[in-house]
Amino acid sequence: DVKVTQSSRYLVKRTGEKVFLECVQDMDHENMFWYRQDPGLGLRLIYFSYDVKMKEKGDIPEGYSVSREKKERFSLILESASTNQTSMYLCASSPTASGNTIYFGEGSWLTVV
Amino acid sequence: DAKTTQPTSMDCAEGRAANLPCNHSTISGNEYVYWYRQIHSQGPQYIIHGLKNNETNEMASLIITEDRKSSTLILPHATLRDTAVYYCIVRGDFTNKLIFGTGTLLAVQP
Repeated sequence: DVKVTQSSRYLVKRTGEKVFLECVQDMDHENMFWYRQDPGLGLRLIYFSYDVKMKEKGDIPEGYSVSREKKERFSLILESASTNQTSMYLCASSPTASGNTIYFGEGSWLTVV
Repeated sequence: DAKTTQPTSMDCAEGRAANLPCNHSTISGNEYVYWYRQIHSQGPQYIIHGLKNNETNEMASLIITEDRKSSTLILPHATLRDTAVYYCIVRGDFTNKLIFGTGTLLAVQP
Protein backbone atom coordinates (compact mmCIF):
# COMPACT_ATOMS: atom_id res chain seq x y z
CA ASP A 1 0.00 0.00 0.00
CA VAL A 2 1.07 3.53 -0.70
CA LYS A 3 2.05 5.38 2.42
CA VAL A 4 2.20 9.16 2.70
CA THR A 5 3.22 10.15 6.19
CA GLN A 6 2.90 13.62 7.66
CA SER A 7 5.11 14.18 10.65
CA SER A 8 2.71 16.14 12.83
CA ARG A 9 -0.99 15.54 13.19
CA TYR A 10 -1.79 18.53 15.38
CA LEU A 11 0.26 21.67 15.94
CA VAL A 12 -0.32 24.95 17.73
CA LYS A 13 2.06 27.78 16.85
CA ARG A 14 2.29 31.46 17.66
CA THR A 15 1.94 34.27 15.15
CA GLY A 16 5.30 35.04 13.60
CA GLU A 17 6.84 31.64 14.25
CA LYS A 18 8.54 29.70 11.48
CA VAL A 19 6.69 26.42 10.95
CA PHE A 20 7.88 23.27 9.20
CA LEU A 21 5.46 20.59 8.01
CA GLU A 22 7.19 17.43 6.87
CA CYS A 23 5.92 14.76 4.50
CA VAL A 24 7.46 11.45 3.47
CA GLN A 25 6.24 8.96 0.87
CA ASP A 26 7.52 5.43 0.49
CA MET A 27 6.53 4.64 -3.11
CA ASP A 28 9.29 6.37 -5.06
CA HIS A 29 6.77 8.82 -6.55
CA GLU A 30 8.09 11.66 -8.64
CA ASN A 31 5.32 14.12 -7.79
CA MET A 32 4.52 15.52 -4.38
CA PHE A 33 1.97 18.15 -3.37
CA TRP A 34 0.88 20.36 -0.52
CA TYR A 35 -2.79 21.33 -0.22
CA ARG A 36 -4.74 23.12 2.43
CA GLN A 37 -8.37 22.40 3.19
CA ASP A 38 -10.75 24.93 4.67
CA PRO A 39 -14.52 24.69 5.24
CA GLY A 40 -16.44 25.96 2.23
CA LEU A 41 -13.28 26.38 0.14
CA GLY A 42 -12.39 22.76 -0.54
CA LEU A 43 -8.82 21.69 -1.22
CA ARG A 44 -6.48 24.33 -2.61
CA LEU A 45 -3.07 23.56 -4.05
CA ILE A 46 -0.21 25.47 -2.42
CA TYR A 47 2.87 24.01 -4.15
CA PHE A 48 3.87 20.89 -5.96
CA SER A 49 7.14 19.28 -6.96
CA TYR A 50 7.75 16.97 -9.90
CA ASP A 51 11.36 16.11 -9.08
CA VAL A 52 14.06 16.65 -6.49
CA LYS A 53 14.84 20.35 -6.08
CA MET A 54 12.06 21.24 -8.53
CA LYS A 55 8.93 23.09 -7.44
CA GLU A 56 5.96 24.84 -8.96
CA LYS A 57 3.55 27.29 -7.39
CA GLY A 58 -0.04 26.21 -6.99
CA ASP A 59 -3.05 28.43 -6.54
CA ILE A 60 -2.18 29.95 -3.15
CA PRO A 61 1.62 30.01 -2.64
CA GLU A 62 1.78 33.33 -0.81
CA GLY A 63 3.20 33.00 2.68
CA TYR A 64 4.58 29.52 2.01
CA SER A 65 7.75 27.96 0.66
CA VAL A 66 8.75 24.36 0.05
CA SER A 67 11.83 22.21 0.02
CA ARG A 68 12.51 18.92 -1.73
CA GLU A 69 16.07 17.78 -1.17
CA LYS A 70 15.29 14.05 -1.41
CA LYS A 71 12.76 12.30 -3.60
CA GLU A 72 10.77 10.86 -0.72
CA ARG A 73 10.53 14.04 1.35
CA PHE A 74 8.63 17.28 0.72
CA SER A 75 8.55 20.03 3.33
CA LEU A 76 6.17 22.95 3.61
CA ILE A 77 7.50 26.03 5.36
CA LEU A 78 5.53 28.90 6.79
CA GLU A 79 8.15 31.61 7.10
CA SER A 80 6.14 33.71 9.55
CA ALA A 81 2.91 32.05 10.60
CA SER A 82 -0.26 34.11 10.64
CA THR A 83 -3.72 33.35 11.99
CA ASN A 84 -5.17 33.07 8.48
CA GLN A 85 -2.90 30.08 7.94
CA THR A 86 -4.84 28.10 10.53
CA SER A 87 -6.02 25.14 8.46
CA MET A 88 -5.68 21.46 7.71
CA TYR A 89 -2.66 20.80 5.51
CA LEU A 90 -2.58 17.78 3.27
CA CYS A 91 0.45 16.26 1.62
CA ALA A 92 0.02 14.02 -1.39
CA SER A 93 2.13 12.11 -3.88
CA SER A 94 1.72 10.45 -7.25
CA PRO A 95 3.80 8.72 -9.91
CA THR A 96 4.28 10.26 -13.33
CA ALA A 97 2.25 7.92 -15.50
CA SER A 98 -0.92 7.89 -17.48
CA GLY A 99 -3.95 7.65 -15.22
CA ASN A 100 -1.74 8.29 -12.21
CA THR A 101 -3.47 8.35 -8.85
CA ILE A 102 -2.78 11.00 -6.21
CA TYR A 103 -2.51 9.58 -2.69
CA PHE A 104 -2.98 11.72 0.41
CA GLY A 105 -1.54 11.71 3.89
CA GLU A 106 -3.63 11.91 7.03
CA GLY A 107 -3.39 15.67 7.29
CA SER A 108 -1.82 18.12 9.72
CA TRP A 109 -4.10 20.40 11.70
CA LEU A 110 -2.30 23.68 12.28
CA THR A 111 -3.64 26.33 14.63
CA VAL A 112 -1.87 29.71 14.71
CA VAL A 113 -2.65 31.81 17.77
CA ASP B 1 -10.98 20.09 -15.76
CA ALA B 2 -14.66 19.33 -16.14
CA LYS B 3 -17.04 20.11 -13.33
CA THR B 4 -19.00 17.47 -11.41
CA THR B 5 -22.40 17.52 -9.73
CA GLN B 6 -23.26 15.24 -6.82
CA PRO B 7 -26.19 15.07 -4.37
CA THR B 8 -25.43 16.77 -1.10
CA SER B 9 -26.31 13.79 1.05
CA MET B 10 -27.60 10.22 0.96
CA ASP B 11 -28.60 7.58 3.45
CA CYS B 12 -28.00 3.86 3.17
CA ALA B 13 -28.89 0.94 5.42
CA GLU B 14 -26.01 -1.09 6.77
CA GLY B 15 -25.38 -4.19 4.66
CA ARG B 16 -27.13 -2.78 1.60
CA ALA B 17 -25.46 -1.47 -1.54
CA ALA B 18 -24.75 2.25 -1.62
CA ASN B 19 -25.04 3.81 -5.09
CA LEU B 20 -23.56 7.27 -5.32
CA PRO B 21 -24.24 9.18 -8.57
CA CYS B 22 -22.13 11.83 -10.24
CA ASN B 23 -22.82 13.98 -13.31
CA HIS B 24 -19.91 15.20 -15.41
CA SER B 25 -21.60 16.24 -18.65
CA THR B 26 -18.66 18.36 -19.88
CA ILE B 27 -16.05 15.62 -19.54
CA SER B 28 -13.61 15.43 -22.42
CA GLY B 29 -12.02 12.42 -24.03
CA ASN B 30 -8.79 12.26 -22.04
CA GLU B 31 -10.31 12.95 -18.63
CA TYR B 32 -10.56 10.27 -15.98
CA VAL B 33 -13.27 9.95 -13.33
CA TYR B 34 -11.81 9.58 -9.83
CA TRP B 35 -13.56 8.84 -6.56
CA TYR B 36 -12.17 9.73 -3.16
CA ARG B 37 -13.74 9.70 0.26
CA GLN B 38 -12.95 11.68 3.36
CA ILE B 39 -13.80 10.62 6.85
CA HIS B 40 -13.99 13.51 9.27
CA SER B 41 -10.58 14.96 10.22
CA GLN B 42 -8.65 12.61 7.92
CA GLY B 43 -7.04 13.00 4.52
CA PRO B 44 -8.93 11.99 1.36
CA GLN B 45 -8.73 8.28 0.65
CA TYR B 46 -8.48 7.09 -2.94
CA ILE B 47 -11.21 4.62 -3.89
CA ILE B 48 -11.23 3.97 -7.62
CA HIS B 49 -10.90 5.62 -11.02
CA GLY B 50 -11.78 4.89 -14.64
CA LEU B 51 -11.69 6.27 -18.14
CA LYS B 52 -14.34 4.48 -20.20
CA ASN B 53 -14.84 0.99 -18.90
CA ASN B 54 -16.44 -0.08 -15.67
CA GLU B 55 -13.95 -0.81 -12.94
CA THR B 56 -13.99 -2.90 -9.77
CA ASN B 57 -11.57 -3.25 -6.90
CA GLU B 58 -11.72 -4.51 -3.34
CA MET B 59 -13.45 -1.36 -2.14
CA ALA B 60 -16.00 -0.50 -4.79
CA SER B 61 -17.24 -0.64 -8.37
CA LEU B 62 -17.38 2.26 -10.79
CA ILE B 63 -19.99 2.30 -13.52
CA ILE B 64 -19.45 4.90 -16.27
CA THR B 65 -22.23 5.51 -18.80
CA GLU B 66 -21.47 4.94 -22.44
CA ASP B 67 -21.53 8.67 -23.22
CA ARG B 68 -19.30 9.24 -20.16
CA LYS B 69 -21.51 12.05 -18.92
CA SER B 70 -22.25 10.39 -15.63
CA SER B 71 -21.00 7.65 -13.33
CA THR B 72 -22.03 5.73 -10.23
CA LEU B 73 -19.87 4.54 -7.39
CA ILE B 74 -21.18 1.34 -5.81
CA LEU B 75 -20.22 0.17 -2.34
CA PRO B 76 -21.66 -3.37 -2.46
CA HIS B 77 -22.23 -3.91 1.28
CA ALA B 78 -22.10 -0.64 3.17
CA THR B 79 -20.89 -0.63 6.77
CA LEU B 80 -21.00 2.06 9.40
CA ARG B 81 -17.33 2.78 8.68
CA ASP B 82 -18.28 3.82 5.15
CA THR B 83 -19.95 6.93 6.52
CA ALA B 84 -17.93 9.73 4.89
CA VAL B 85 -18.00 12.50 2.30
CA TYR B 86 -17.52 11.00 -1.18
CA TYR B 87 -15.98 13.13 -3.89
CA CYS B 88 -16.27 12.54 -7.62
CA ILE B 89 -13.51 14.30 -9.56
CA VAL B 90 -12.79 14.57 -13.24
CA ARG B 91 -9.14 14.96 -13.99
CA GLY B 92 -7.14 15.26 -17.18
CA ASP B 93 -4.33 12.85 -17.82
CA PHE B 94 -1.10 14.05 -16.19
CA THR B 95 -2.92 16.97 -14.61
CA ASN B 96 -1.66 17.57 -11.11
CA LYS B 97 -4.52 19.63 -9.85
CA LEU B 98 -7.45 17.92 -8.17
CA ILE B 99 -10.57 20.06 -7.83
CA PHE B 100 -12.74 18.74 -5.03
CA GLY B 101 -16.36 19.87 -5.05
CA THR B 102 -18.65 19.64 -2.05
CA GLY B 103 -19.14 15.88 -2.44
CA THR B 104 -21.90 13.62 -1.10
CA LEU B 105 -22.21 12.93 2.60
CA LEU B 106 -23.12 9.24 2.83
CA ALA B 107 -24.65 8.28 6.14
CA VAL B 108 -24.84 4.53 6.70
CA GLN B 109 -27.60 3.75 9.17
CA PRO B 110 -27.59 0.70 11.48
